[in-house]
Amino acid sequence: QAQLVQSGAEVKRPGSSVTVSCKASGDTFSNSGISWVRQAPGQGLEWMGGIVPVFGTARYAQKFQGRVTITADDSTSTAYMELNSLRSEDSAIYYCARDRGNWYPPIFYFYRMDVWGQGTTVTVSS
Amino acid sequence: QSALTQPASVSGSPGQSITISCTGTSSDVGSYNLVSWYQQHPGKAPKLLIFEVTQRPSGISARFSGSKSGNTASLTISGLQAEDEADYYCSSYGGSSSTVFGGGTKLTVL
Repeated sequence: QAQLVQSGAEVKRPGSSVTVSCKASGDTFSNSGISWVRQAPGQGLEWMGGIVPVFGTARYAQKFQGRVTITADDSTSTAYMELNSLRSEDSAIYYCARDRGNWYPPIFYFYRMDVWGQGTTVTVSS
Repeated sequence: QSALTQPASVSGSPGQSITISCTGTSSDVGSYNLVSWYQQHPGKAPKLLIFEVTQRPSGISARFSGSKSGNTASLTISGLQAEDEADYYCSSYGGSSSTVFGGGTKLTVL
């Protein structure tokens, strides 16, 4: 049974950076992607970006381009999401999810998140 | 990319059927049969209910079904049960490897 376990809650100052990790167990990344999704308090889901670990190719939502970096270490089945220049509006729960989207070479289509991590709460406050 | 449009709330009585709509554009919902639906209970991570418009992952009840017409996708829940009370989100592939979510719909079982 595939499972994703994320790192613990973080409290950060405005202007700083945060890195959230996501370790897969019970199943390898295989040819799946990992998507990162965030949810601000009382708000909806927002896709930030994704990566296909076996290839290391990351793609980002336009809103987060230049501020987020998604990486993965296929040897340890761990993905990472780093968000820079934090502001109060970045306070949210951050989820990683296995994305069983599809390859339409040379592009991976992220659209099918079937296993989710437990979420990591990031609080940005001065 | 703009978020897909969902009604803020819907409600129904136990045993009834309800439908949640999800309206996008010709650049996302209208262009790809890559719409997914997720259920989220308070304090929990989302759960995949439907992918590729109509497909159910293993273990998902047949009471959940999906469809699409033009730029609008729909999720129908038949035989409403108390445990269906949750938030529901649609998503669609939107090109350039990205996906976009709807704003979410709160389902109340009366």
